[in-house]
Amino acid sequence: EVQLLESGGGLVQPGGSLRLSCAASGFTFSTYAMNWVRQAPGKGLEWVSVISGSGGSTYDADSVKGRFTISRDNSKNTLYLQMNSLRAEDTAVYYCAKDMYNGESGSCFDCWGQGTLVTVSS
Amino acid sequence: DIQMTQSPSSLSASVGDRVTITCQASQDIRNSLNWYQQKPGKAPKLLIYDASNLETGVPSRFSGSGSGTDFTFTISSLQPEDIATYYCQQFNNAALTFGGGTKVEIK
Repeated sequence: EVQLLESGGGLVQPGGSLRLSCAASGFTFSTYAMNWVRQAPGKGLEWVSVISGSGGSTYDADSVKGRFTISRDNSKNTLYLQMNSLRAEDTAVYYCAKDMYNGESGSCFDCWGQGTLVTVSS
Repeated sequence: DIQMTQSPSSLSASVGDRVTITCQASQDIRNSLNWYQQKPGKAPKLLIYDASNLETGVPSRFSGSGSGTDFTFTISSLQPEDIATYYCQQFNNAALTFGGGTKVEIK
C-alpha cells in the first residue's frame, strides 16, 4: 500500500524558516516525480513544487520561487521542502503528493499524504 | 499561468440526481486535465485523469469529458458519500493550476 507521511509543520514567525519532510513507502520512490501542494485555511488547492524521480529537475510556483526548495533523498525514501523567508500568506496545510509519472514537471497526483499545517504568525 | 475557471462554486442536489461540473481553461490544454474529490478534513483523492480516464477503484458513476479549453465532470447518480468539494487541475505546462473548487451538498 502506498503511504505518504508528512512531518515538520508548526508555528513560525514571519521571515522564519521551516523544513517539511514526507516519508514514502509502498512503491519504488526513485521512479516517480513528487510534488508539494498546499491549501490555505478554507481555501482551494495550490500546487507548490515538483521534483523528478532522480532529483535532477525541479520546478516551483512563482509564489514560492527563490524562497522554497524541494529536494529528495532516494536512499531514505523521503521528500523535503525547505521553506525560508516565510510570510503570513504561506499559512496552509502542506501535502506531499506522488506523481503518476516520472516527468520533469508535475502531472497527476495519484496519492496524497494527510498533510501538515504550517502557521506563519507573530 | 493557465487559469482554470470552475463552475458552479457550489451546488445542492438530491440523492440520485445527475450532477455536472464544468472547468474552462484560459488556453488550449489538450486533454491535460484531472479531477479530484476532497472530503472535509481529508486529503484530495484522484478520480479522473487525462480528462476522461477513471482512476482504479473509483466508482463508475463518476466520469469526465472534454478537450481543448472546455471540460465536464459528471456524477451520474449522486450518493450521500459524494458530499465533497471537487477540483479540476491542468498539467499542460509546468506551472500546474487548480480550479477554484465546487462544493457539492445534498438537498
